[in-house]
Amino acid sequence: SQQGEEDPQALSIQEGENATMNCSYKTSINNLQWYRQNSGRGLVHLILIRSNEREKHSGRLRVTLDTSKKSSSLLITASRAADTASYFCARRNSGNTPLVFGKGTRLSVIA
Amino acid sequence: KAGVTQTPRYLIKTRGQQVTLSCSPISGHRSVSWYQQTPGQGLQFLFEYFSETQRNKGNFPGRFSGRQFSNSRSEMNVSTLELGDSALYLCASSLEARLSQETQYFGPGTRLLVL
Repeated sequence: SQQGEEDPQALSIQEGENATMNCSYKTSINNLQWYRQNSGRGLVHLILIRSNEREKHSGRLRVTLDTSKKSSSLLITASRAADTASYFCARRNSGNTPLVFGKGTRLSVIA
Repeated sequence: KAGVTQTPRYLIKTRGQQVTLSCSPISGHRSVSWYQQTPGQGLQFLFEYFSETQRNKGNFPGRFSGRQFSNSRSEMNVSTLELGDSALYLCASSLEARLSQETQYFGPGTRLLVL
């Protein structure tokens, strides 16, 4: 499969804890993106990290990329109940290929 | 700016019927992509359009078709509906400044139920 694979499939944590989600892929990429989806709704873009970048931050989000291991991780610090959602990684191999999504990690943050 | 809009939001059809879904991208965005999302298969790419031209097509049967108009609005059509076509259909638009660095902005989706 060319899809990215997120790990774990589901994660349940207490409010205030950190949540880490991982994404692996098989072919070389141009960039990797993370999206969030609240139950049954559209996806919201979180962060884009380019293949020549190793780490990127946005508020409570931290994304790392290891192209040698073909993997990325998304860390949400000090999680809140509102962070409860599904998180997807998506990658684009080259300029004109479509974005390929993984199957996502379902995060539940318990207040 | 208004976000990506999709109509209708919910749709119930029966097997054998056909359906047309509509997507209006963010103003100024020229690229529109369509995805099908199901619990079993996840998010699967359907089509990508730019300036009225289909740039990429996913691995779906010919019953699935789409088009883009000169104002960048897009429609997708599914003919001879099957039960397995029940899904959330998501549309996304992007600015197309540099495709390789593009992020996509998603609409709320159209939930299609085929009975």
